[in-house]
Amino acid sequence: QVQLVQSGAEVKKPGASVKVSCKSSGYPFTRYGINWVRQATGQGLEWMGWMNPKSGDTGYAQQFQGRVSMTRNTSISTAYMELSSLTSEDTAVFYCVRQYGDYADYWGQGTLVTVSS
Amino acid sequence: DIQMTQSPSSLSAPVGDRVTITCRASQSISSLLNWYQQKPGKGPQLLIYAASSLQSGVPSRFSGSGSGTDFTLTINSLQPEDSATYFCQQSYSTPYSFGQGTKLEIK
Repeated sequence: QVQLVQSGAEVKKPGASVKVSCKSSGYPFTRYGINWVRQATGQGLEWMGWMNPKSGDTGYAQQFQGRVSMTRNTSISTAYMELSSLTSEDTAVFYCVRQYGDYADYWGQGTLVTVSS
Repeated sequence: DIQMTQSPSSLSAPVGDRVTITCRASQSISSLLNWYQQKPGKGPQLLIYAASSLQSGVPSRFSGSGSGTDFTLTINSLQPEDSATYFCQQSYSTPYSFGQGTKLEIK
């Protein structure tokens, strides 16, 4: 069965960077895109960007341009999202999501990133 | 960017009732609209894709309709386990924006 398993919770200081991993299983990793979505506590969902695991092509939401990087390691079917210059406003749960054609079907369990001095 | 507006932001209904949640796009998105359910402490789960197609394993009391700019999610015969927050998302063009969510309470 399809699974996206994310890395564990992180605590970071303001100005630092965080790198979240998302290991895929149950399907050919390079066949479907991976999106990343942010959700601040008690808030809505915010689409951050996407990556084509086959080509490595990426597209980022404007508000994250310049401080987000989405990469992958196809040999271990793992996608990564790195966010830099963290502030308290980045305290949130980050999800990786499989993009199955025109919709996102499987979500990772989420990774809580806490930014605190 | 396409803006998605959901209404209402919250609602409460008894078991057995029918509820409708609406989602409006700031421009036409054809039928590229998806609905997700999120329960506290969990990641969202896909309910409806392409405006009206039921995701495998989702109960048939959930249905979606609409095209262009106006969409609805209907839940028939509400069950206690339907208590959750519901989000719409457009997949017409990036950034794939979400609605702000509708919190459903079951009385």
